[in-house]
Amino acid sequence: AQRVTQPEKLLSVFKGAPVELKCNYSYSGSPELFWYVQYSRQRLQLLLRHISRESIKGFTADLNKGETSFHLKKPFAQEEDSAMYYCALTNSGGYNKLIFGAGTRLAVHP
Amino acid sequence: KAGVTQTPRYLIKTRGQQVTLSCSPISGHRSVSWYQQTPGQGLQFLFEYFSETQRNKGNFPGRFSGRQFSNSRSEMNVSTLELGDSALYLCASSSWISNTGELFFGEGSRLTVL
Repeated sequence: AQRVTQPEKLLSVFKGAPVELKCNYSYSGSPELFWYVQYSRQRLQLLLRHISRESIKGFTADLNKGETSFHLKKPFAQEEDSAMYYCALTNSGGYNKLIFGAGTRLAVHP
Repeated sequence: KAGVTQTPRYLIKTRGQQVTLSCSPISGHRSVSWYQQTPGQGLQFLFEYFSETQRNKGNFPGRFSGRQFSNSRSEMNVSTLELGDSALYLCASSSWISNTGELFFGEGSRLTVL
């Protein structure tokens, strides 16, 4: 079964500390992985996708097929990073059908 | 350009009634998908439409249906409402024909079933 697991409901860190939001997936085939973010009173929006291999707002995520993980990392957290983060996957023929994890709330304290 | 617009934003219905939610995608986007968000189940895919055709459907009962019009606007309908249908219903649009995963979400329609 296709599944995305985000083991932490809440991750609380202080400003300047490193952040790692965990995401594990189960999927038979070659999935495409994404991180979506929802800031307070804003819409859900794409943060980054693994195929782009890009860094957005200082965040990076590496797809580890051996461990079936796609953890989101940032070396120095900022207060404005506080938000709800969702890991999601789809297959190449998924026609925009995303399977989301339960989400992790990141709280960055001053 | 204007984002994805969903109407109504809030609505209250009673069990057994039916409801229709509307979604206007970003101009030029031809794919519209719908998701249900609840505290217990999180974000779950309902269905996706492209050029008025349903391309994919999630694991929801037949009470949940949708359609897309020639101008790409989409509606979803839930018949015979149950208490468990209370949720935030999110619409998302995409400009790509094939899957890229980049969806642009609306603010959602919050349905409360009493």
